[in-house]
Amino acid sequence: GIQVEQSPPDLILQEGANSTLRCNFSDSVNNLQWFHQNPWGQLINLFYIPSGTKQNGRLSATTVATERYSLLYISSSQTTDSGVYFCAVHRRRALTFGSGTRLQVQP
Amino acid sequence: EAQVTQNPRYLITVTGKKLTVTCSQNMNHEYMSWYRQDPGLGLRQIYYSMNVEATDKGDVPEGYKVSRKEKRNFPLILESPSPNQTSLYFCASSTSGETQYFGPGTRLLVL
Repeated sequence: GIQVEQSPPDLILQEGANSTLRCNFSDSVNNLQWFHQNPWGQLINLFYIPSGTKQNGRLSATTVATERYSLLYISSSQTTDSGVYFCAVHRRRALTFGSGTRLQVQP
Repeated sequence: EAQVTQNPRYLITVTGKKLTVTCSQNMNHEYMSWYRQDPGLGLRQIYYSMNVEATDKGDVPEGYKVSRKEKRNFPLILESPSPNQTSLYFCASSTSGETQYFGPGTRLLVL
């Protein structure tokens, strides 16, 4: 099956810093989503981004489908950005999730 | 407000006592699915449904049942729960191939 790898696995930032999270996938995909799992366990949709670039406030994402990777940019990080970030690729009838990047933003 | 709701949010039960976790969406989505999340194993799909009366197994269906009698509802049934079903459960819905929206999660502890 398709493999989804995320890096780095863990990231600690000072408030205000910028970061880039990476998602590599092993096969061509139709669709890709980024999620934020907050400390209470809720999965929040960030982006649905099969290709190209999207921006939402301090967050932006780029997917280069032909090279099988996606990037999530977080600028001017805040403590509320802490949690785990997942990318997930659509395959047939399910999402295949990466193992996540655990982000801790310190004040 | 467009949303996926799950109930209960937290549940502690004992081995063998049948339980149902409800899932409902108000977005008229055809596609619904259930996932479980476990440390070290990530999120894995249990069952999915392409539409009313159309359900199929995901990656880890053993010990679970589902039904889809109405478009908005997709309950997850554990006929005889066991401790290895202790997990965080998510329901999701979407229009086929589009953004999947997840419910808030149900934390289940089976003693």
